[in-house]
Amino acid sequence: KNEVEQSPQNLTAQEGEFITINCSYSVGISALHWLQQHPGGGIVSLFMLSSGKKKHGRLIATINIQEKHSSLHITASHPRDSAVYICAVRSRDSNYQLIWGAGTKLIIKP
Amino acid sequence: GAGVSQSPSNKVTEKGKDVELRCDPISGHTALYWYRQSLGQGLEFLIYFQGNSAPDKSGLPSDRFSAERTGGSVSTLTIQRTQQEDSAVYLCASSLWELGYGYTFGSGTRLTVV
Repeated sequence: KNEVEQSPQNLTAQEGEFITINCSYSVGISALHWLQQHPGGGIVSLFMLSSGKKKHGRLIATINIQEKHSSLHITASHPRDSAVYICAVRSRDSNYQLIWGAGTKLIIKP
Repeated sequence: GAGVSQSPSNKVTEKGKDVELRCDPISGHTALYWYRQSLGQGLEFLIYFQGNSAPDKSGLPSDRFSAERTGGSVSTLTIQRTQQEDSAVYLCASSLWELGYGYTFGSGTRLTVV
């Protein structure tokens, strides 16, 4: 079993829909990251969370430490949001290495 | 600089040749990481530098891979006697402090071994 599981693996939605991507992990963590990888390969760090909730524009990230679960939400989705969204956790046992989820490929159709 | 700079952006090399990939992190970022991403795969950790500490090389896949970071800034990843399975995008990231801050990634070097 992978230490970081993301769901769904693939998601196709219509423009304007509310999007939720989930991440579950099985290790103790010091932080959780959400990253975005565009088709060209560039990676952008979206959020780093250790508790609670963060919001940036149309993006919202939440984390429940007790349940070892995080969600990334996109409101009013747009075709330019199409990308791979990756969850990564920093394990307390290895404070510098990230354990990566497999990513969720999101396609937003106009 | 304003971001993490990697060069070259693309490299095609013949099997058996050596290659050097360069990463110029954000000025002042003490932590530097190398990852690689093979086609359709997730990110694979290779090596981590933090300040003047000995690097963590635990992710290097074989002794053909090595990396150095000169003066706590620019890093070079060297792959000797390249093999076709080395073909991947090699990504560099830097952060201000490994525990508390997010990462900034470079745009990567796409290595193709023919």
